[in-house]
Amino acid sequence: GENVEQHPSTLSVQEGDSAVIKCTYSDSASNYFPWYKQELGKRPQLIIDIRSNVGEKKDQRIAVTLNKTAKHFSLHITETQPEDSAVYFCAATSGTYKYIFGTGTRLKVLA
Amino acid sequence: DTEVTQTPKHLVMGMTNKKSLKCEQHMGHRAMYWYKQKAKKPPELMFVYSYEKLSINESVPSRFSPECPNSSLLNLHLHALQPEDSALYLCASRGPVRGGNTGELFFGEGSRLTVL
Repeated sequence: GENVEQHPSTLSVQEGDSAVIKCTYSDSASNYFPWYKQELGKRPQLIIDIRSNVGEKKDQRIAVTLNKTAKHFSLHITETQPEDSAVYFCAATSGTYKYIFGTGTRLKVLA
Repeated sequence: DTEVTQTPKHLVMGMTNKKSLKCEQHMGHRAMYWYKQKAKKPPELMFVYSYEKLSINESVPSRFSPECPNSSLLNLHLHALQPEDSALYLCASRGPVRGGNTGELFFGEGSRLTVL
C-alpha cells in the first residue's frame, strides 16, 4: 500500500547549524507534499509544501526539495533556532482526500 | 477565519460512557477529517467527510461513530471505548484543490481523550 518513510527519527543540532529531514514515498501518483511542524501539546501546522511540478521551494530559513524520479523530498532548515525544536512530519497525497504521513522527526536545537 | 475549533479540549470517560467530540470550521471547506494521534506517532486517519457524505472510513471500530450535520460541523460520537483508545483526536478541514489552493489541511488543537 501507500507508504512514506521519514528519516531520521531524532535529530539534534547546535543552534545556527542546518537540519535536513528526508522522506521517501511509494505512490508515484503523489503530487502534493506538505511538511507539518508539531510542538508539544499543539496542533500540526503547515510550514511549507511543494507540488510535483516544482523541484524546490524556499521560504526564509526553510526550503523543500523534491526529486520525483527517486520519489524523495527533503526539508532543509538553515540557521536553526531553539524555537525550531519540535516534531516534523512529512506527508504525501495524490490529490484524493488521503494524506499519508511520515513517522515524524523529533528535532532538538541545542542552545 | 482560518480556525478549526474543537471541543472539549480534554475529556475523561469511563468505558461505559457515551460522549461526543465536536469540530467546527467556517472556512467554507467541504472536506473534514478525524485523525487519531498517539504520543510520538503521526496522525492516523479515521474518517473523511466530503460534502457532508462519509468518503473514507479507515476500518475504524464501530464504537467510534462520525456525524456531519452540516458543512461546518463534524462530530465524533464515542461509546464503549477501551483504554487503548486514549489519544489526541484531531479534526482537520481542507479546501478544494484548485486554483491557488494547495490542499492544505487545517488542524484543530485536538481533544485529548482519556478512557479509564
